Amino acid sequence: SQKIEQNSEALNIQEGKTATLTCNYTNYSPAYLQWYRQDPGRGPVFLLLIRENEKEKRKERLKVTFDTTLKQSLFHITASQPADSATYLCALDSSWDMRFGAGTRLTVKP
Amino acid sequence: NAGVTQTPKFRVLKTGQSMTLLCAQDMNHEYMYWYRQDPGMGLRLIHYSVGEGTTAKGEVPDGYNVSRLKKQNFLLGLESAAPSQTSVYFCASSAGSSNQPQHFGDGTRLSIL
Repeated sequence: SQKIEQNSEALNIQEGKTATLTCNYTNYSPAYLQWYRQDPGRGPVFLLLIRENEKEKRKERLKVTFDTTLKQSLFHITASQPADSATYLCALDSSWDMRFGAGTRLTVKP
Repeated sequence: NAGVTQTPKFRVLKTGQSMTLLCAQDMNHEYMYWYRQDPGMGLRLIHYSVGEGTTAKGEVPDGYNVSRLKKQNFLLGLESAAPSQTSVYFCASSAGSSNQPQHFGDGTRLSIL
């Protein structure tokens, strides 16, 4: 069966460090992969999209990699700040069928 | 520009009651979606619509019905609420079916007693 796993439910890091979140999947061949941010009591907000033929994509302090051989995406936040504290969701994008991971709750401590 | 608006924000129902959740978007998007989000689980697609007058089943459609009479609105109905339907419901819209970000509302928190 199809499965999406995001590393650990929670990740705590110190301000200024790089946060690395992992999204692994099985029995799925998405053409795209998306990352979203969700704050408590709010809906997810789109951050980045990466195509299957792209290895890496960057946006300001954010970087996403997509390895279709390993079936894994890594999401990095460099120079992390307390304002980056939120839950981050990966989503496998294949036509209308967007499948979301359960998310990783990131806490950046000052 | 409000984006995606969901009403109500909170609701408590008794088992067997019915209700309708409303979603409205002002981005002229063709695609609209209803998800539920439960602790420890990812967002799961209930129903979706690829345009006005069309609807289709998602991953967990049982116990729910939807309608898309106007392009900007997507309604989710619970005919006979069950405790297992206690969840947070999110509506989303997108310009296309793939390679497009989804824009989400802030959710409806529904409790079934």
